Amino acid sequence: AQSVTQLDSHVSVSEGTPVLLRCNYSSSYSPSLFWYVQHPNKGLQLLLKYTSAATLVKGINGFEAEFKKSETSFHLTKPSAHMSDAAEYFCVVSDVGNTPLVFGKGTRLSVIA
Amino acid sequence: NAGVTQTPKFQVLKTGQSMTLQCAQDMNHEYMSWYRQDPGMGLRLIHYSVGAGITDQGEVPNGYNVSRSTTEDFPLRLLSAAPSQTSVYFCASSRDRAAQPQHFGDGTRLSIL
Repeated sequence: AQSVTQLDSHVSVSEGTPVLLRCNYSSSYSPSLFWYVQHPNKGLQLLLKYTSAATLVKGINGFEAEFKKSETSFHLTKPSAHMSDAAEYFCVVSDVGNTPLVFGKGTRLSVIA
Repeated sequence: NAGVTQTPKFQVLKTGQSMTLQCAQDMNHEYMSWYRQDPGMGLRLIHYSVGAGITDQGEVPNGYNVSRSTTEDFPLRLLSAAPSQTSVYFCASSRDRAAQPQHFGDGTRLSIL
């Protein structure tokens, strides 16, 4: 069965500095991996997805993630944080295309002016 | 284009009361699902449906019922509310089970006293 571990429950960065949100996964097959973002009192929005194509995946709002099979990781990065990036971020795995999504417990990103 | 609409946005119930959380989508999506979000737990799948007339249980189905009489609507029923069901509930839809992204509603915040 698949699982996902987000290594930090809370990350705080200064505006204009890099963002790193860490995610490790466990999967019996070739996984599909996703990052979703949730702004306060809102639903979730897909940031980016990996589905066995390029290992470096670019998403919306300047975010990107790199799939590293040897490390079973799918960390989310952004070169320069903006105040509007403050939100909850979820790493999500699916073993094959038609199995339910499994969500990590989330990482809350705070951006300090 | 409304996307996924959840009603109500907020609800307070007493233990033992019943209620239905409504979810409607206007994208002609076959796959719909219900999640609950609890602090530090991420999102957990309650029930899902791969099309009208077809539903199945997710990770945490106890205490909840669903039905799917139309493509557009996927209501979630609490038959006898318990304090453990205090949570934020999200409905999501996608073209099919494998499709991403899933489109999320803005959530229903439910408190049970």
